Amino acid sequence: DVKVTQSSRYLVKRTGEKVFLECVQDMDHENMFWYRQDPGLGLRLIYFSYDVKMKEKGDIPEGYSVSREKKERFSLILESASTNQTSMYLCASSGTGWFFGPGTRLTVL
Amino acid sequence: GDSVTQMEGPVTLSEEAFLTINCTYTATGYPSLFWYVQYPGEGLQLLLKATKADDKGSNKGFEATYRKETTSFHLEKGSVQVSDSAVYFCALISNTGGFKTIFGAGTRLFVKA
Repeated sequence: DVKVTQSSRYLVKRTGEKVFLECVQDMDHENMFWYRQDPGLGLRLIYFSYDVKMKEKGDIPEGYSVSREKKERFSLILESASTNQTSMYLCASSGTGWFFGPGTRLTVL
Repeated sequence: GDSVTQMEGPVTLSEEAFLTINCTYTATGYPSLFWYVQYPGEGLQLLLKATKADDKGSNKGFEATYRKETTSFHLEKGSVQVSDSAVYFCALISNTGGFKTIFGAGTRLFVKA
């Protein structure tokens, strides 16, 4: 009954490393989203995609990029990780409803 | 722009107590309103939703009524359980805002046995 999966639950990286966070959904949804969740700030939208190879900036895109080569997969990329990108990252997809992945807790040292 | 404001937590209650978590919003048009729950170590799950004024969403004993006159969507439960301990997020999707969902900051609930 898994609907949205994320490649890692926990990840530890060093400053300057390139980081890939993968998200896969099995519901044939066109819309996919990446959020980060920080205490006191709730969820903030980083990027979203409404079709293959289409992407739109959300509220806080700086320092991130995304890739949507296939409909079911939406990747978030940190080109050069920094300590202020330590956070919980949540992927979501939407069609007739909204579904969230379990989250990836990323720590950048 | 659109926004969602929730009461600050943490909220600490004893088992079987009555729960209210306040949520108010500002939005253009007629947004859809949602409550999500995040249990420890897990991602977000949709708890309930309401898509138009005066709708009442309900699930697992939780209820929330879409009040356009007060721009509110307060979450209530008559008798909380220890298993309800989680973080609760109020959110809206504006029908003029494309695909974006606006989330509140979240309210952490602790229920003591």
